[in-house]
Amino acid sequence: EAGVAQSPRYKIIEKRQSVAFWCNPISGHATLYWYQQILGQGPKLLIQFQNNGVVDDSQLPKDRFSAERLKGVDSTLKIQPAKLEDSAVYLCASTTSSGIYYEQYFGPGTRLTVT
Amino acid sequence: GQNIDQPTEMTATEGAIVQINCTYQTSGFNGLFWYQQHAGEAPTFLSYNVLDGLEEKGRFSSFLSRSKGYSYLLLKELQMKDSASYLCAVREDTDKLIFGTGTRLQVFP
Repeated sequence: EAGVAQSPRYKIIEKRQSVAFWCNPISGHATLYWYQQILGQGPKLLIQFQNNGVVDDSQLPKDRFSAERLKGVDSTLKIQPAKLEDSAVYLCASTTSSGIYYEQYFGPGTRLTVT
Repeated sequence: GQNIDQPTEMTATEGAIVQINCTYQTSGFNGLFWYQQHAGEAPTFLSYNVLDGLEEKGRFSSFLSRSKGYSYLLLKELQMKDSASYLCAVREDTDKLIFGTGTRLQVFP
């Protein structure tokens, strides 16, 4: 079974530029998450999708961040314009259901450096 | 509010036993996870507790007390490869995971 795929793995941009990240979850996984992980901290949820609908985006800075999952499979996360404090690893995760046993599978992440 | 506390750093010796504690206060509770994260890599699943008690899986065990808002991860027969960050995460009612800041464990020979 293929895992969660993310690209690019690394990105360096200047502040005020735009950037987009892509995620392909595990086949059949309905729920997809984007996390931001700043160095030395735990992952912080940015947005949660159930199929192509948003379940939770309460911690997404909507003035600069946007995300979509148009066909309920792949997802993109965009930052426009980027700030220095956006430097972090952006992790995508997916899960199949909300049953009793539940596990989030993480992708390798995209390391963003904003200079 | 939401609060998950775990120690920032711990050190231990190869072959020893280490216990990493986690206390939590969250608005909902639907289980507690432990993840391992090596530097520069994604978190990988270690354990999941939804009922009180101890879950054992090889060298790793995890304990949960829901009434006390407390969990621990126990690592036995430590190996150098166990040097990593260990993340405690609570699953809320909406399947949202709230992560602690992680405990960085260093294992020395």
